[in-house]
Amino acid sequence: GDSVTQMEGPVTLSEEAFLTINCTYTATGYPSLFWYVQYPGEGLQLLLKATKADDKGSNKGFEATYRKETTSFHLEKGSVQVSDSAVYFCALSGHRVDYKLSFGAGTTVTVRA
Amino acid sequence: SAVISQKPSRDICQRGTSLTIQCQVDSQVTMMFWYRQQPGQSLTLIATANQGSEATYESGFVIDKFPISRPNLTFSTLTVSNMSPEDSSIYLCSVLTGYNEQFFGPGTRLTVL
Repeated sequence: GDSVTQMEGPVTLSEEAFLTINCTYTATGYPSLFWYVQYPGEGLQLLLKATKADDKGSNKGFEATYRKETTSFHLEKGSVQVSDSAVYFCALSGHRVDYKLSFGAGTTVTVRA
Repeated sequence: SAVISQKPSRDICQRGTSLTIQCQVDSQVTMMFWYRQQPGQSLTLIATANQGSEATYESGFVIDKFPISRPNLTFSTLTVSNMSPEDSSIYLCSVLTGYNEQFFGPGTRLTVL
């Protein structure tokens, strides 16, 4: 079945450092891919998405490119801030009928000032 | 996007009892889902709440334990029945928008003693 493998944390960075969180997937067909973020004490928020190969999703300085050849959707940000400290989840929706989401394990990111 | 509210936001319950969680959306949506996030874990789909018919449960989840109602296109309830400490989790509802994006409610944090 569909699955997502995500780089496990925790990840600790200094402010203005470059962040990469790796995400690879297994799915039949052509899934849609998502990154969600959960800030401390808050709910889950959609960060960005990509629906087809070579699409790039971007939001709040974060980017991720849908790479079908490597079945990957790595999240990147060029210069992180303390406010980016959160748990990041990679997810896929593999079926265009039921739209169920399969989530990765989540990566905890802590940015130090 | 959609504005989603859940009640209660948190609760502490005794084992053997049941709790019903409500999910309200500010607009009509076709698909609603219920997820569970166990402590320190990722999200797992419990079921798809279908309007006007029985919910569709994922493997490992059964209607007797997690009965779901969906009386209309803006509201759903999830009941956690005959609770045990293993049911301590955050329970989240989500809705699917017209752009194949799922938005999540703030969650209900359940502790079972």
